[in-house]
Amino acid sequence: AQSVTQPDIHITVSEGASLELRCNYSYGATPYLFWYVQSPGQGLQLLLKYFSGDTLVQGIKGFEAEFKRSQSSFNLRKPSVHWSDAAEYFCAVGNNQGGKLIFGQGTELSVKP
Amino acid sequence: SQTIHQWPATLVQPVGSPLSLECTVEGTSNPNLYWYRQAAGRGLQLLFYSVGIGQISSEVPQNLSASRPQDRQFILSSKKLLLSDSGFYLCAWSAFSRGRKANEKLFFGSGTQLSVL
Repeated sequence: AQSVTQPDIHITVSEGASLELRCNYSYGATPYLFWYVQSPGQGLQLLLKYFSGDTLVQGIKGFEAEFKRSQSSFNLRKPSVHWSDAAEYFCAVGNNQGGKLIFGQGTELSVKP
Repeated sequence: SQTIHQWPATLVQPVGSPLSLECTVEGTSNPNLYWYRQAAGRGLQLLFYSVGIGQISSEVPQNLSASRPQDRQFILSSKKLLLSDSGFYLCAWSAFSRGRKANEKLFFGSGTQLSVL
């Protein structure tokens, strides 16, 4: 069965601290992986995506994610969190052909001053 | 518990034909409702959102329209489909709030794969 699991429903980190949001997937074909953020006034915004090649991908706003096939994971990281990063983050798996996209349940990030 | 239903799961339509995709939410009242589209090679694009019955905001100009005839029903329509309308359409809901907040959790339907030929 195809699924995406984000084990952490809510995470709180201090401003300036590092961040890692976990994402595990189950997908029958070659996975194409995405991280989205629910940004104010913009709906879902694509942070980064992985299709192939280098397993460490860089995204916008200083985020990066690493694809680990052996662990079926695609964790999102940021070295130093800013207060403006507080948001809801979604991991998703699908393909880049405009096909079905499966979302995780989302992780709410709170940032302490 | 809240559930969201979206149908059909797949649809193949000829160019120029009409479209109607339906989304309903159960177990909550006055939800914010959204239609997204995933086109090939691109991320999700917000098409429409609604904060109440008859209240529809369009994010991008296009060949589509949306309606909310009932509190928990959101319909995506087109009078004449174009080839470029092909893609994966996703309905979502979130708990009522005034406008959209940064950290509102979205709950997604299972999506509709639309192929326009």
